Amino acid sequence: AQTVTQSQPEMSVQEAETVTLSCTYDTSESDYYLFWYKQPPSRQMILVIRQEAYKQQNATENRFSVNFQKAAKSFSLKISDSQLGDAAMYFCAYAGSSSNTGKLIFGQGTTLQVKP
Amino acid sequence: GAVVSQHPSWVICKSGTSVKIECRSLDFQATTMFWYRQFPKQSLMLMATSNEGSKATYEQGVEKDKFLINHASLTLSTLTVTSAHPEDSSFYICSAPRGRTTDTQYFGPGTRLTVL
Repeated sequence: AQTVTQSQPEMSVQEAETVTLSCTYDTSESDYYLFWYKQPPSRQMILVIRQEAYKQQNATENRFSVNFQKAAKSFSLKISDSQLGDAAMYFCAYAGSSSNTGKLIFGQGTTLQVKP
Repeated sequence: GAVVSQHPSWVICKSGTSVKIECRSLDFQATTMFWYRQFPKQSLMLMATSNEGSKATYEQGVEKDKFLINHASLTLSTLTVTSAHPEDSSFYICSAPRGRTTDTQYFGPGTRLTVL
């Protein structure tokens, strides 16, 4: 069975600084997708970034980028120039492609605090 | 981006009553929708996969007679919590992929259920 692990329950960063959130996963599938979702206090889940496993190039979305290490099964999220609005709970998620069910498996989440 | 709505956003009910939660994809059709449950400061746990025109697929440990799911149309899935009890109090979130089941999922804003 696939698992996703986020080992940092809480992280904090100074405004304008850079922070990296860690995520590791376990799977026997060769083709899959990885995601980072943000859940602010409103609890609306917002997609931050998506990575296809077959792509070697790390995905980037403005201030958000990932470090995807397929062999190590690691998928960390880097937030550059942190802003107060980045404060939220961040979830790493996995979706297998071969099973084609679309099910998302979530990590435990990391609460990010941004200090002014 | 795609929009998914949920109704109601919050509901309070007495123990023993049933509560229906609606999940709608507003600008796309979804043959598959997913229902999650989230406890405070915890991760999302997949409860079931809602399939248009067929029975829902429940995750292990989820009581299908307690949590009735009906995917009435390509834009609507409902979750009915039957004979609700205080332990059913939680935050329920639905999601739907736009297109293939492995596409990025869009989440509803969630429904907070409180059972007295």
